[in-house]
Amino acid sequence: ETGVTQTPRHLVMGMTNKKSLKCEQHLGHNAMYWYKQSAKKPLELMFVYSLEERVENNSVPSRFSPECPNSSHLFLHLHTLQPEDSALYLCASSQDNRGEQYFGPGTRLTVT
Amino acid sequence: RKEVEQDPGPFNVPEGATVAFNCTYSNSASQSFFWYRQDCRKEPKLLMSVYSSGNEDGRFTAQLNRASQYISLLIRDSKLSDSATYLCVPTGTGRRALTFGSGTRLQVQP
Repeated sequence: ETGVTQTPRHLVMGMTNKKSLKCEQHLGHNAMYWYKQSAKKPLELMFVYSLEERVENNSVPSRFSPECPNSSHLFLHLHTLQPEDSALYLCASSQDNRGEQYFGPGTRLTVT
Repeated sequence: RKEVEQDPGPFNVPEGATVAFNCTYSNSASQSFFWYRQDCRKEPKLLMSVYSSGNEDGRFTAQLNRASQYISLLIRDSKLSDSATYLCVPTGTGRRALTFGSGTRLQVQP
């Protein structure tokens, strides 16, 4: 399934590294999302972009920085992360920010 | 009150059983609802959308009770492959995005 793709699928980084997660959607949607899911925990919404404008930012630490250059691409820039940031990071897209969301396979991040 | 409440389970049922999950939501203005399934360490996948009183798709039936603000998912003739966590998702209002519940875990046993 290639509707929403994410790279990399796995990432191990040290606390002083800088890395970026990439998401691309091929569904023609106009809204994109970043979620964090820690082990055995529910999804936590991090950021919402609608028509390339950030419309929600749920008190996420500044060490996470999103970027949405166009309606098909979404990035999450990471720097000076903490071990508790280790989680599955999921990207999703939808047509309008209240429509069904389709998820990418996620990036499993480990911070050492 | 939480925006979405689900019994976390697990619901352990034998193959072929019928099982139902309930989900209550607090936002009376929610217009649409979705059920997602999530397998262990995988992304959520859309199972069913509910825009009116209910929806049926094969072995799966969703029913919405707006007066009591709950939505249910019924699975008939359970298969081993139905084992997953089922997430209830009401739509938000205004510019708010969807709110995902924490899910109900189903384990279908042989």
